[in-house]
Amino acid sequence: SQKIEQNSEALNIQEGKTATLTCNYTNYSPAYLQWYRQDPGRGPVFLLLIRENEKEKRKERLKVTFDTTLKQSLFHITASQPADSATYLCARSGYSTLTFGKGTMLLVSP
Amino acid sequence: DTEVTQTPKHLVMGMTNKKSLKCEQHMGHRAMYWYKQKAKKPPELMFVYSYEKLSINESVPSRFSPECPNSSLLNLHLHALQPEDSALYLCASSQVPGQGATNEKLFFGSGTQLSVL
Repeated sequence: SQKIEQNSEALNIQEGKTATLTCNYTNYSPAYLQWYRQDPGRGPVFLLLIRENEKEKRKERLKVTFDTTLKQSLFHITASQPADSATYLCARSGYSTLTFGKGTMLLVSP
Repeated sequence: DTEVTQTPKHLVMGMTNKKSLKCEQHMGHRAMYWYKQKAKKPPELMFVYSYEKLSINESVPSRFSPECPNSSLLNLHLHALQPEDSALYLCASSQVPGQGATNEKLFFGSGTQLSVL
């Protein structure tokens, strides 16, 4: 089966630093990887999508990379702020839908 | 309007009750989804509707019954649930149903927090 893993349950960083979250997948590369943000008791919110043939995608303070050799995607938040504290989910594309990882809870301290 | 609206936000029900969860979107999306999410777990797909027809049922027990009355509405009918069914139920939509590997981003509602006593 196609798995998607986010090995870090939680990540604590200081405000202003860059947060780096990791997402690993098994077997064949998905055509797309997506990243979502989820706040407690709320639904996930789409952030970024990256295609298999793209190495990097940026949106404001966010950057996503896709390394098919390492079977890994990295999600970076630069100049992090306490408001960035949330759970971040990666998801791999599949036939007709997405499979989500468990998520990494990011806590940015002032 | 870029929202997916779910009602109710919270629901407590007994194991013999019948209740329904409702979801609405007015973005013209033709795919709608039900996900179930337990605490500290990822969302798990339950059902997919494509052009108002049920296209995916992820082996969900029959005590959960989905319904898509029209392209904007999605319901989840609940009957004889178990305490282990307590979870956050999320509705989502996407512009078109994924064909093959999907690049369609999902728009999620805020969810219904369900407690079964």
